[in-house]
Amino acid sequence: SAVISQKPSRDICQRGTSLTIQCQVDSQVTMMFWYRQQPGQSLTLIATANQGSEATYESGFVIDKFPISRPNLTFSTLTVSNMSPEDSSIYLCSVVMAVEAFFGQGTRLTVV
Amino acid sequence: EDQVTQSPEALRLQEGESSSLNCSYTVSGLRGLFWYRQDPGKGPEFLFTLYSAGEEKEKERLKATLTKKESFLHITAPKPEDSATYLCAVLETSGSRLTFGEGTQLTVNP
Repeated sequence: SAVISQKPSRDICQRGTSLTIQCQVDSQVTMMFWYRQQPGQSLTLIATANQGSEATYESGFVIDKFPISRPNLTFSTLTVSNMSPEDSSIYLCSVVMAVEAFFGQGTRLTVV
Repeated sequence: EDQVTQSPEALRLQEGESSSLNCSYTVSGLRGLFWYRQDPGKGPEFLFTLYSAGEEKEKERLKATLTKKESFLHITAPKPEDSATYLCAVLETSGSRLTFGEGTQLTVNP
């Protein structure tokens, strides 16, 4: 199994500012995934973060809005840039090891 | 394109009233089907992975089963602490990304 530490656990931010979310895994993994969960909805994949290469973004998500770093095999960050109230969501990082997928506890973001 | 559909969207049970949640899926090749429990404001908590049709797994009051087109999460004699949203996701053989269903919000009343 994998233990994923994600921080901050929650934040309230002013519109127009940016927030960087950190995700630390207790073992080395090739790919890390970032999801968004809007209120009352299921999880939507934002991007896949590969170590040593550019992240791969899903349709509807762009690098300028959600830049991702992956400096090593145990760590990744997701930045939510130029925030608006529509960005208020839970953001989750995830790893897949063999055929098991694990999640961090999430970052609850409220944009005011 | 992978599709995952969960039903019902919401389910209210009395304590002790057994029921089942459904997850129907369409994938080109199934590598694994996952069940998660999610409490409000928290990340998904892993429950089960099922790999092939006919497989069953149990954990306390929960039992997950898998066919070639769907999975069921059976809840036997539920308790109020089983109240949560239950998410189903599939991992296809050709990729590493999960595709999630919309979830079933379960409420168990005492």
